Parts: sequence; C-alpha cells; structure tokens
Amino acid sequence: QMQLVQSGAEVKRPGASVKISCKTSGYTFTTYYIHYVRQAPGQGLEWMGIINPANGDTHYAQTFQGRVTMTRDTSTTTVYTELSSLRFEDTAIYYCARGSRWEQNVFDMWGRGTMVTVSS
Amino acid sequence: DIQMTQSPSSLSASVGDRVTITCRASQVIRNNLAWFQQKPGTAPKSLIYAASSLQSGVPSRFSGSGSGTEFTLTISSLQPEDFATYYCQQHNTYPLTFGPGTKVDLK
Repeated sequence: QMQLVQSGAEVKRPGASVKISCKTSGYTFTTYYIHYVRQAPGQGLEWMGIINPANGDTHYAQTFQGRVTMTRDTSTTTVYTELSSLRFEDTAIYYCARGSRWEQNVFDMWGRGTMVTVSS
Repeated sequence: DIQMTQSPSSLSASVGDRVTITCRASQVIRNNLAWFQQKPGTAPKSLIYAASSLQSGVPSRFSGSGSGTEFTLTISSLQPEDFATYYCQQHNTYPLTFGPGTKVDLK
C-alpha cells in the first residue's frame, strides 16, 4: 500500500546539521510532490517547503531559506531534508506529506514524523 | 504571508453535538482551504480540501464550507473518535500557512 516512512529520531548539538528522510512506496514516486511540515512541542504546524521528485525543483518558506535543502533519490524513491545551523527552537517533529496528484499543495497522505531534538 | 486565524481556540462538547469551527484568512484565498485533524502523539490527518471536498475515507459527518476569507468546518454529530485538535490551512499561496488550531474536548 502507499506509504511514507520517515527516518528515526535525531539528537543534535546547536550549530550542527541534520538530514532526515522520507521513504515512499506503493505509488509512482515522480508523480507526486512531497512537502515538509514541522511541529514544535505543544505548538502548531509550520510549512517548510516542497520538492518535485520528477526533477528536483524545490520551493522553501522564507523562514528557512539558506538553512534547508530538500533533495530526492529516484533510485530509492526517497526524499531527504537537511536543516543546517540548528538552534534550540528547531526542536520539533518533522513530517513529510504528499501533495495530491491533481493539486500539488493539497496534502493527501502524511508520514508519522521524525523527532529532531537540539540540545547541548 | 497569509495569516490564518481560527475560532474558538478550544471547545467542550458532548457526543452527538453539532460542532462548528471557523477559520479566517488575512487575504482572499478563493476556495483553497484544507482542514486537518490531529490526535495527541500522531500525525495530522487530512479531512477536507478545496474548502468542501472530503478526502477519501473521511466520514460524511464532516463538512466544510466557505470561500474568499471565511470558512467553516462542521461535525454534524460528534463521535468519541472526533475529540482532537483541528487545523485549517490555506493551499492558495506560498508559503502554505496553518491556523493555530482548535482543540475539541469532552464536556
């Protein structure tokens, strides 16, 4: 069945980088855009960016410009998000979500999330 | 960026109640509005897109309406599994933005 399986929890120091993954399966990887959304503890949802798995084109929220890089590996149908210069306030659950086939910005499926903790 | 607001921020209701949540956008977003349900410790679940279209598998007691800047999510008869936090999100313009959430709990 269609799935988005996310990588395991990470603990990083301030200033470090983290690279998390979203492994897709059960559908044609290049047909559906992937988004990343994060949620700090006890807080709401924050959109980070989108990648087109067909060609690697990306669009990031201005908040994360210069610190986030989304990439994809078509051979493993996996999307990666790297966040650099980590700060304490980057502690959050990071979700990947799939854009629907007919409207890339409508989410139709979510991963279970990756917890990233920034701690000294 | 388009700012999304929701009201109320929380509400208490009983099983069988009709529940309505309002979402407002700071700019016109046509009908490009989605609703999500999130239970503690789990990922959000997509309920509605394009203001009123139900995602596959979502019970018909959920409905959405609105256009422009004002939208509503209605649960016609609240069920025990519906106690959760609900978020709206505009999918009209980047950056995509979410409302702050409405927590629905048991009265």
